Amino acid sequence: QITLKESGPTLVKPTQTLTLTCTFSGFSLSTSGVGVGWIRQPPGKALEWLALIYWNDDKRYSPSLKSRLTITKDTSKNQVVLTMTNMDPVDTATYYCAHFTQQLGGGGVDYWGQGTLVTVSS
Amino acid sequence: QSVLTQPPSASGTPGQRVTISCSGSSSNIGSNYVYWYQQLPGTAPKLLIYRNNQRPSGVPDRFSGSKSGTSASLAISGLRSEDEADYYCAAWDDSLSGPCWVFGGGTKLTVL
Repeated sequence: QITLKESGPTLVKPTQTLTLTCTFSGFSLSTSGVGVGWIRQPPGKALEWLALIYWNDDKRYSPSLKSRLTITKDTSKNQVVLTMTNMDPVDTATYYCAHFTQQLGGGGVDYWGQGTLVTVSS
Repeated sequence: QSVLTQPPSASGTPGQRVTISCSGSSSNIGSNYVYWYQQLPGTAPKLLIYRNNQRPSGVPDRFSGSKSGTSASLAISGLRSEDEADYYCAAWDDSLSGPCWVFGGGTKLTVL
């Protein structure tokens, strides 16, 4: 079955760069139609999509955060890495990685990781 | 401010039918499929509906989705206490800066 798990620091300081890793199993990111993305949720607030990388290395970013985000993949390790620069307290959130698939029609999310809470504070 | 608009709250009593709306525009709901997710307290979201009205295996048929024009709805019939959760709609948005995956602001469902 498909599983995803996020890892990274739980606390970062303002202006620092956040690096999160998504390690997945049950699928290959070299399979046509598959993608892995990142979605975050500030405490008590709504979900916000951040970035997505496809099997063919095509990348998509949230327009409002594009200048701060970089997403990469390591197919051999079954990992996707997200970096976000210049962190601010408003970036405090639970960060989820997610499996996107065109098999559902439209290429949406069908599986989510458990999420990791990242707090930005000095 | 979320791209897709949902009511912040909804409620119903056990056994009732409730609906949650999701309003968008021609660049998202109007031209792409709608997804719905259920988020139980303290857990990750779970896929409830895809391609406007399709249920993944394991999702009870009490949950149904529909779409008309630039709006979509999630209906829950035979409401149960375990349905108390936050519900989010989502869709691709064909924005000028490139396709974006957008969410609604979420609807908190209370079972009275």
